[in-house]
Amino acid sequence: NAGVTQTPKFQVLKTGQSMTLQCAQDMNHEYMSWYRQDPGMGLRLIHYSVGAGITDQGEVPNGYNVSRSTTEDFPLRLLSAAPSQTSVYFCASSPVFSANTGELFFGEGSRLTVL
Amino acid sequence: AQKVTQAQTEISVVEKEDVTLDCVYETRDTTYYLFWYKQPPSGELVFLIRRNSFDEQNEISGRYSWNFQKSTSSFNFTITASQVVDSAVYFCALSEPHFGNEKLTFGTGTRLTIIP
Repeated sequence: NAGVTQTPKFQVLKTGQSMTLQCAQDMNHEYMSWYRQDPGMGLRLIHYSVGAGITDQGEVPNGYNVSRSTTEDFPLRLLSAAPSQTSVYFCASSPVFSANTGELFFGEGSRLTVL
Repeated sequence: AQKVTQAQTEISVVEKEDVTLDCVYETRDTTYYLFWYKQPPSGELVFLIRRNSFDEQNEISGRYSWNFQKSTSSFNFTITASQVVDSAVYFCALSEPHFGNEKLTFGTGTRLTIIP
């Protein structure tokens, strides 16, 4: 039972570099989302998707791009990394009918450091 | 705008003591959902409970209990007879299920440490 799988778990980047955080789920969930977790800030929504081909911005979308070409995958792209993007990133999914009612299934997180 | 406040940043208690984690929320909607998630030291987030705004009944699940009071906009979480495995960061969250608003608003979390 893989659930939500995030890769890589750890990454160090230099300012200006680009990278993609991968997220895959095998539960056939329509809803997928990316959160970032920062000390004293809780979790904040970056982008979300309610199905293949549909994405939308969350609370803190600047500096991040997403796409949803398949139901299973929802990659998060940092085009030009900045130190302010140092954070722990969580991917989460759920059936779309419960997307607003909780029961999100979270990945294990990806810790990103931007120097 | 919705907001969740967890005023307790860190709490430490001795094992077997009871502990209550506070959560206060703000919302303009009459329909909303409240949640608690647990983040153990391993880092993953684990769903604990969901409560909708029309159900004010308290809930008990083993050593865990939740007290939902709309009059004070609070959704507090109590662990009785705490154990070391309860050590984690606990997040309270709020959702307003508007069409197109696919969002959970999380509090800043309370770090609970159970001292053996």
